[in-house]
Amino acid sequence: DAGVIQSPRHEVTEMGQEVTLRCKLISGHNSLFWYRQTMMRGLELLIYFNNNVPIDDSGMPEDRFSAKMPNASFSTLKIQPSEPRDSAVYFCASSFRLTGGLNTEAFFGQGTRLTVV
Amino acid sequence: GENVEQHPSTLSVQEGDSAVIKCTYSDSASNYFPWYKQELGKRPQLIIDIRSNVGEKKDQRIAVTLNKTAKHFSLHITETQPEDSAVYFCAARYNNNDMRFGAGTRLTVKP
Repeated sequence: DAGVIQSPRHEVTEMGQEVTLRCKLISGHNSLFWYRQTMMRGLELLIYFNNNVPIDDSGMPEDRFSAKMPNASFSTLKIQPSEPRDSAVYFCASSFRLTGGLNTEAFFGQGTRLTVV
Repeated sequence: GENVEQHPSTLSVQEGDSAVIKCTYSDSASNYFPWYKQELGKRPQLIIDIRSNVGEKKDQRIAVTLNKTAKHFSLHITETQPEDSAVYFCAARYNNNDMRFGAGTRLTVKP
């Protein structure tokens, strides 16, 4: 397995444009996290899913941000419209949550460096 | 949700010395505490983790201790080496799967 795969690795876009970040989970994993990393705010949890269902999206900054899991192995994070303050590295991470709630190690993707100009 | 505090934000040690990073958490239901190492420009990677049913875990030069009563846990690195230089993050996680990170500690090991 190649691990958690994110695309694109780098994205430069103009303010106001729509941005879509993609994440492929490790095969068999059933939990998915989206994080945003900046120097000022560190690793912020944006949203996480269990078994394709969003559990907590309270970390999503505003309505401009949305995330989906159209199937068990894939997720998208969309920003529309994008703003310069959205510039950050966006990571997704996946793990396997055992029956009864026991959590296993979360693996991170390589991240998407987003720059909004 | 869970709130994780991490100290210090920066730590500089001489090669061969020990380094200790401390974290506190707010939710007593948290039961899983991983530590991640992030090198410049790379993804966070797990280096050690501990569950709430144990008080200490060790893996070669790295150890983690957990005090459930006080709701704090610590990372100990002994015989530090320059390649240990990185940003270290603690995290706390509970049954509904929420995983929140501390603000990170930038460790510099001087040769």
